Amino acid sequence: DGGITQSPKYLFRKEGQNVTLSCEQNLNHDAMYWYRQDPGQGLRLIYYSQIVNDFQKGDIAEGYSVSREKKESFPLTVTSAQKNPTAFYLCASSMITESYEQYFGPGTRLTVT
Amino acid sequence: DQQVKQNSPSLSVQEGRISILNCDYTNSMFDYFLWYKKYPAEGPTFLISISSIKDKNEDGRFTVFLNKSAKHLSLHIVPSQPGDSAVYFCAAYNNTDKLIFGTGTRLQVFP
Repeated sequence: DGGITQSPKYLFRKEGQNVTLSCEQNLNHDAMYWYRQDPGQGLRLIYYSQIVNDFQKGDIAEGYSVSREKKESFPLTVTSAQKNPTAFYLCASSMITESYEQYFGPGTRLTVT
Repeated sequence: DQQVKQNSPSLSVQEGRISILNCDYTNSMFDYFLWYKKYPAEGPTFLISISSIKDKNEDGRFTVFLNKSAKHLSLHIVPSQPGDSAVYFCAAYNNTDKLIFGTGTRLQVFP
């Protein structure tokens, strides 16, 4: 069964701690994306990657970091520098040639207190 | 600057009637538009799309209309069903490898 896996579903952290969210896909997609969703807002792009070992900042990259060591994996680290880290985080992937058709994972709800 | 706008945060429709969700955009360079459906605590799922060279695309109960001169697109769901209750996001693409999403419209279909 092809798809995108995000783990865990719910994550709780204390303020000041870095936390890494996992995203894995077995769709053989080249491109992967991280979005953040807040209540009443659309999906905002944090980072994206079109090829292994390369990634670009999205619209709200401050306080986040990513790596793309494998095609299948695109972990997101929420650092202590992120001022409002509590949100719903979504990972997506797509073919390079059809980057408008993105497939999303189930999301991770991060709560920082 | 919000390039893709969904001005109605919510919509309530009776089962069996038509649901019309609207989306406006400002960037005339967008050449592909999509609608995604999202249930709470889940990722969005692709619903239907339309290229800027078309003005209509239909898939079963779902039809998307594009009015390029007005920079407006709409999603029609007919007949509406309770399972259609979800948040619907409009998204636009302009060959920058990024999708721009609207803020979403919560649709509630009641019996």
